[in-house]
Amino acid sequence: ETGVTQTPRHLVMGMTNKKSLKCEQHLGHNAMYWYKQSAKKPLELMFVYNFKEQTENNSVPSRFSPECPNSSHLFLHLHTLQPEDSALYLCASSQGLAGDTDTQYFGPGTRLTVL
Amino acid sequence: AQSVAQPEDQVNVAEGNPLTVKCTYSVSGNPYLFWYVQYPNRGLQFLLKYITGDNLVKGSYGFEAEFNKSQTSFHLKKPSALVSDSALYFCAVRDKGGKLIFGQGTELSVKP
Repeated sequence: ETGVTQTPRHLVMGMTNKKSLKCEQHLGHNAMYWYKQSAKKPLELMFVYNFKEQTENNSVPSRFSPECPNSSHLFLHLHTLQPEDSALYLCASSQGLAGDTDTQYFGPGTRLTVL
Repeated sequence: AQSVAQPEDQVNVAEGNPLTVKCTYSVSGNPYLFWYVQYPNRGLQFLLKYITGDNLVKGSYGFEAEFNKSQTSFHLKKPSALVSDSALYFCAVRDKGGKLIFGQGTELSVKP
């Protein structure tokens, strides 16, 4: 798991707070992803970036704002969240998007609780 | 549309016995199939994948998976289960755009 790191590991925030999740990959990959994992539900893809450009926004509410300053870093900025946004947020990276070797590798996740 | 199904929410196995975690898929074209494992409070760890070639794929920690095109299945197997294998297992298929579509997960419990 040291290939993809995420901070913080745990975050508790109120609905009026603004916070950011950080992801860093040390694998030399070009694509990065944000997923949401809620209890009893399949993983939901939120955003995809390839070479710093957003290629996928899976109908995510605007209270989630991603930022990818370079291929190694990915942020998820949070503001005015709802309690139903409480979940495990997972970051992943891959060499590319759809080649034979493009396996996604995941970070440990940030456990977010919205009060 | 591509989809993946894991028909069992939970699988219980005694230590030392063989284990199977089931996965079926629906895709157009050739499937790219993956298995991931998630330990408590951790992210997903890649176990193995099928792209092409031999139907039996070997992966990490002694796991293997058998691709069966006629049954559209990609079941995860291990000859002898360990207590430490207890975790949540996800099957996934990759669509043509590169997105992973995950099953709902199967919780494996291995008892001593």
